[in-house]
Amino acid sequence: DGGITQSPKYLFRKEGQNVTLSCEQNLNHDAMYWYRQDPGQGLRLIYYSQIVNDFQKGDIAEGYSVSREKKESFPLTVTSAQKNPTAFYLCASSMTSGGYNEQFFGPGTRLTVL
Amino acid sequence: GQQLNQSPQSMFIQEGEDVSMNCTSSSIFNTWLWYKQDPGEGPVLLIALYKAGELTSNGRLTAQFGITRKDSFLNISASIPSDVGIYFCAGRNTGTASKLTFGTGTRLQVTL
Repeated sequence: DGGITQSPKYLFRKEGQNVTLSCEQNLNHDAMYWYRQDPGQGLRLIYYSQIVNDFQKGDIAEGYSVSREKKESFPLTVTSAQKNPTAFYLCASSMTSGGYNEQFFGPGTRLTVL
Repeated sequence: GQQLNQSPQSMFIQEGEDVSMNCTSSSIFNTWLWYKQDPGEGPVLLIALYKAGELTSNGRLTAQFGITRKDSFLNISASIPSDVGIYFCAGRNTGTASKLTFGTGTRLQVTL
């Protein structure tokens, strides 16, 4: 089955701890993205990567870090520097060539910081 | 970062009714997309539009790419209970690679 997987579905952490969210895709997509969604709001871009070993900050990158060591994987670390980390986190992927580079989303991870 | 304006923010409709929602931007986009998100899940792509004036259907859904390239519309005909969810528009400009700008969402609730 081709798709995007995110794990875990629900995650609880104590304040001050770093936490890493997993995102894997087997669609052979070049680009991957991380978004944050707060209740009643749209999606805001945290980081994105268009190629292995390269990534760029999105609109709200402060307090987050990413790596892209493999094409299939784009983990997101929520650091203790993120002031309000409780949110729904969505990972997406897309092609980067051919003109029809639509983003497809994973099922999301709900992070709650206690 | 910019977010697109979606209207209405929420709507209650009866099963069988038609639904219309729209999305406007201060910037020109070359691609408009419409997604649906069920509670606690990731958004699912419904329709993609690539050309100004384009009208595209997907079952009971019809979307249009505005002539000015600054707006898009989504219509749902004969709504059913499973249409419940949040509908997001998203725009892309070729100058921003694959980055999308998302709308604020329209929450649709369907009553029997």
